Amino acid sequence: AQTVTQSQPEMSVQEAETVTLSCTYDTSENNYYLFWYKQPPSRQMILVIRQEAYKQQNATENRFSVNFQKAAKSFSLKISDSQLGDTAMYFCAFNPPNTGNQFYFGTGTSLTVIP
Amino acid sequence: DVKVTQSSRYLVKRTGEKVFLECVQDMDHENMFWYRQDPGLGLRLIYFSYDVKMKEKGDIPEGYSVSREKKERFSLILESASTNQTSMYLCASSLLRNQPQHFGDGTRLSIL
Repeated sequence: AQTVTQSQPEMSVQEAETVTLSCTYDTSENNYYLFWYKQPPSRQMILVIRQEAYKQQNATENRFSVNFQKAAKSFSLKISDSQLGDTAMYFCAFNPPNTGNQFYFGTGTSLTVIP
Repeated sequence: DVKVTQSSRYLVKRTGEKVFLECVQDMDHENMFWYRQDPGLGLRLIYFSYDVKMKEKGDIPEGYSVSREKKERFSLILESASTNQTSMYLCASSLLRNQPQHFGDGTRLSIL
């Protein structure tokens, strides 16, 4: 079974500080994709960042970066210089091979950026 | 930009009614998905489709059916709505396997 675990239901961070959201997953596959999605309050879910498991280098997108530890099956999201607009639910998602592009989502982490 | 449009943001229906949720995407994507989102449970896949007239069950298909008669449109059907189907429903589409899914705004459905 493919599972994704986000162990932090809620987090908060001061504006301009750095925060890390945790995600672990369980799979026996070797080649897969991982994603972080952001869902602002009452707004659309959007892609934050994508990581391919066969790539050693951690993905980065501006203030967002990941720490991908394949052996540990860990995929954390680091947000640097947090902004008020980063307040949102964050979902980790895992896309294993041979599943017709089925994604498995974690339960989400609600992040609040405090001014 | 990909546009995924869900027909309603808010919907209120009665127990036992047949409910249709519509989703349209404008980017010729092969894959389309229906999820429900509940607090503490994340997103759970109901059904997905990888081609016209093709459908696959997700993790929680009971009480739901789907229809994909045209590539751009994917409908979710609640055959006989029940109160435990009150939830946020999200539609998504993607071009190919391993490509990001693009989401609609969601439909908040209440069954009374």
